[in-house]
This record gives sequence, structure tokens and C-alpha cells, in this order.
Amino acid sequence: DTEVTQTPKHLVMGMTNKKSLKCEQHMGHRAMYWYKQKAKKPPELMFVYSYEKLSINESVPSRFSPECPNSSLLNLHLHALQPEDSALYLCASRPRSSTDTQYFGPGTRLTVL
Amino acid sequence: GQNIDQPTEMTATEGAIVQINCTYQTSGFNGLFWYQQHAGEAPTFLSYNVLDGLEEKGRFSSFLSRSKGYSYLLLKELQMKDSASYLCAVAPYGGATNKLIFGTGTLLAVQP
Repeated sequence: DTEVTQTPKHLVMGMTNKKSLKCEQHMGHRAMYWYKQKAKKPPELMFVYSYEKLSINESVPSRFSPECPNSSLLNLHLHALQPEDSALYLCASRPRSSTDTQYFGPGTRLTVL
Repeated sequence: GQNIDQPTEMTATEGAIVQINCTYQTSGFNGLFWYQQHAGEAPTFLSYNVLDGLEEKGRFSSFLSRSKGYSYLLLKELQMKDSASYLCAVAPYGGATNKLIFGTGTLLAVQP
């Protein structure tokens, strides 16, 4: 198994809804990431988990809440989002090696109405 | 601060060679990465450079000069499917604080 999977592929939610994005990898990678990407822009880092502990929070609003239940799973809980939060949300993982290469999942396309 | 510059757009012809440049100024350096991203899809890892010189992988090569803060991605024998955005990214640190700083990406259009 050499991939990062994300569910759902698409999500439409209202501003009062609570939803969660899920990311999974079974490559034994111990660092996992959440990125947000707007159209025609590069990915922007949101959170980094290293060995299941949050190591970086890039000043992300509290309406985004990450969770790492185990070494294979990363969640992003969403609550009271704004329309400007509509974007592609990418998960990535990194093996414990010197190259620091990150491997991305296919992303969740989020639309906030 | 962290700054990574790439051309916004490039156009090339099928079968030709194209070079996409990237210059960077970052607080540290633990490697430079190139990713390919087709519209609406996730970035796909292409190459990694941490030492000066050229890394070749089939039709794609990547070059790094750390003293000049400069890299390029060379694509040979261009195919229509190479039309995509190419992202240059730098890892300023290693370990638990590792993260990638992305450039704005270069949108490459390959024409027949």
C-alpha cells in the first residue's frame, strides 16, 4: 500500500454544519500534514503532526480542529466555516527518512454555502 | 523571511525541451522539491535535490545550486500530458518541524 487516501472526495456544507475530513496512510509514515489550496494558488500548510503529536499549527482559525487518533489516521473537524474556506484540502504524509519528501492524497474539494 | 519565485506561466511545443526556473531565499535549507499538479488533482512528487548538481529521472531532470539559491526543472520530449502546474518547494528545516514552503507554481501549456 503506497498511497494516501482521503474521504470524502467532495463535500458541500452550510455555515452551521459540523463535518469531518479523513486521511489515511498505511506506509508507516510518522509525519502527517493538512494543507489548504485555493484555485491557482500553491498549497498552504495548516497543521503538522509528528508521531501523533501536533508539532505545527500555522495560526489556523479554531473552526478547523485537527485530530490524529493513531499513526495511520488524520482527521480535520470543521465547524462554523465561512464561504471563503471553500478550497481543496490536501493531506500529506512523510516517511522517516532524510529526504523529507511528502506524498499527497487526492484531496477533498470543500464548498461552504 | 521565506521567498520562492517561479515564472507564472510558460508555453512549449510537443516534443521540445522546457526549463522551469526557481529561485529561493529561505531561513534554512534541507532540500528542494519539484511537484507536478494537474488541475483539480493532488501534487505528485517529481524530484528532490539537497546537494548541488543535476538529478536525472527519465524525461525529467532537476538541478540545484545552493550558493545561488537556484534550481531548475528540465522536461525533455514534451508530451501533451505534461501540461500541468509545476511547484517548486523548499524544506527549510528537518525533523519534527519539517514543512514545505511552496512557490506559486508555473503553469505549463504544451501545444501540438
